[in-house]
Amino acid sequence: DAGVIQSPRHEVTEMGQEVTLRCKPISGHDYLFWYRQTMMRGLELLIYFNNNVPIDDSGMPEDRFSAKMPNASFSTLKIQPSEPRDSAVYFCASSLVRVFTEAFFGQGTRLTVV
Amino acid sequence: AQSVTQLGSHVSVSEGALVLLRCNYSSSVPPYLFWYVQYPNQGLQLLLKYTTGATLVKGINGFEAEFKKSETSFHLTKPSAHMSDAAEYFCALTGANNLFFGTGTRLTVIP
Repeated sequence: DAGVIQSPRHEVTEMGQEVTLRCKPISGHDYLFWYRQTMMRGLELLIYFNNNVPIDDSGMPEDRFSAKMPNASFSTLKIQPSEPRDSAVYFCASSLVRVFTEAFFGQGTRLTVV
Repeated sequence: AQSVTQLGSHVSVSEGALVLLRCNYSSSVPPYLFWYVQYPNQGLQLLLKYTTGATLVKGINGFEAEFKKSETSFHLTKPSAHMSDAAEYFCALTGANNLFFGTGTRLTVIP
């Protein structure tokens, strides 16, 4: 398996624009997580899914953020409208069987909002 | 409540010297503990994990960690640092609804 695949690797956008980040988890993994990494706050869990169903979105910072998982092999994280403070590296991760026993991370999307 | 504390945001060692990265945890239930490594511009990669059983856990690249319940610690060690070990290291703890990460320790290896 190629691992968790995220796209794009880098995204630069202007404030107010919509941004969509994409993730393909490892095949067969039941759990998918979205994390955000910043210097100030470290790694934060934004939301996670089990079998395509959102389980906990309490980490989503505000209504401008939304995430979907229409099928087992694809998830999106959308920010609309984007703001400069959203600049961060966004990681997608997936895990097998039991939540949080071990997460496999993608290489991340570095988002810059100017 | 569960939390992880990594002592020292930056650690520098000479090539060939012992690497010791400290992690203490707080958990109301028996913890699952992990060490992840992040190389520049990369995602996190699992180094090793402790779930149950043997308290000394061996991981990839010569790293190991020892779970000490009495000290609530899970320190990461490597006998001899290599230049390629320069990276950021994260200790993590399983919670009921999260994987709690420490703030990370950046390891610099001096030639």
